[in-house]
Amino acid sequence: SQQGEEDPQALSIQEGENATMNCSYKTSINNLQWYRQNSGRGLVHLILIRSNEREKHSGRLRVTLDTSKKSSSLLITASRAADTASYFCAQETSGSRLTFGEGTQLTVNP
Amino acid sequence: GAVVSQHPSRVICKSGTSVKIECRSLDFQATTMFWYRQFPKKSLMLMATSNEGSKATYEQGVEKDKFLINHASLTLSTLTVTSAHPEDSSFYICSAPGVRENYNEQFFGPGTRLTVL
Repeated sequence: SQQGEEDPQALSIQEGENATMNCSYKTSINNLQWYRQNSGRGLVHLILIRSNEREKHSGRLRVTLDTSKKSSSLLITASRAADTASYFCAQETSGSRLTFGEGTQLTVNP
Repeated sequence: GAVVSQHPSRVICKSGTSVKIECRSLDFQATTMFWYRQFPKKSLMLMATSNEGSKATYEQGVEKDKFLINHASLTLSTLTVTSAHPEDSSFYICSAPGVRENYNEQFFGPGTRLTVL
C-alpha cells in the first residue's frame, strides 16, 4: 500500500488539552498537507508544509516535518469540543496527486 | 472562492442501475479533478484522475468500465457507477487543484453518499 500511517488511530482528550497526531509516509514528497473531516462531510484543508520546511504554525495548529524519518506531526493546542473530527495527513507527489494516511479520530470532551 | 460542489449529496439505488455523480468547480477552472472513495471510518483512496478533454487515468485496481469518468468542460467532471452493486456503496469525494496564496491546494467537494440496495 502506498498509504502512510497515522497514529494514534483514535484520541480522546478533555477540552483545553493539546492533541498530537503523527503521520509517517513512504515516498519522497513535494509537500505534506493536513486535512480535517467532520463525520460524513468533505475535507477541509488545514495546513501545508513544504518538503524544505521543518515547522509551520497556523493559529492553534503546529505542524512539523522530518523528511529524514519521513514523518510529520500535527499539534492542536488548547483543544475545543468543536475540534472533534477525523484528521488526515496527505502527501503530495507528482501531478498534484494526494496519498492519504489512515487518519486519526479525535474526540474532544467538553 | 475556490468552491467545489457535488451532486447529488445522497443517492439510494437498486442493484444493477447506474448512478451519475457530478463534481463542479464553481468559481475556478479545473483541467484536472480527482475522484476518491471512502469506506466508513477509513481513509480516502484515490480512484482516478479526471482530465479535461482526454481520458481519465485510473489507479491500479480500479475498474475503468465500472467507474466511467467524463471531464467534458473546465468546470465539470462526472463519475458514473455502472451496474451498481451493494459493494459499490461508499462515500465518493471529488477534488480539484487550485491556487491559494502561493501554493497549490486541493479543494474538496462535500461528497456523495451512495447506497446500493
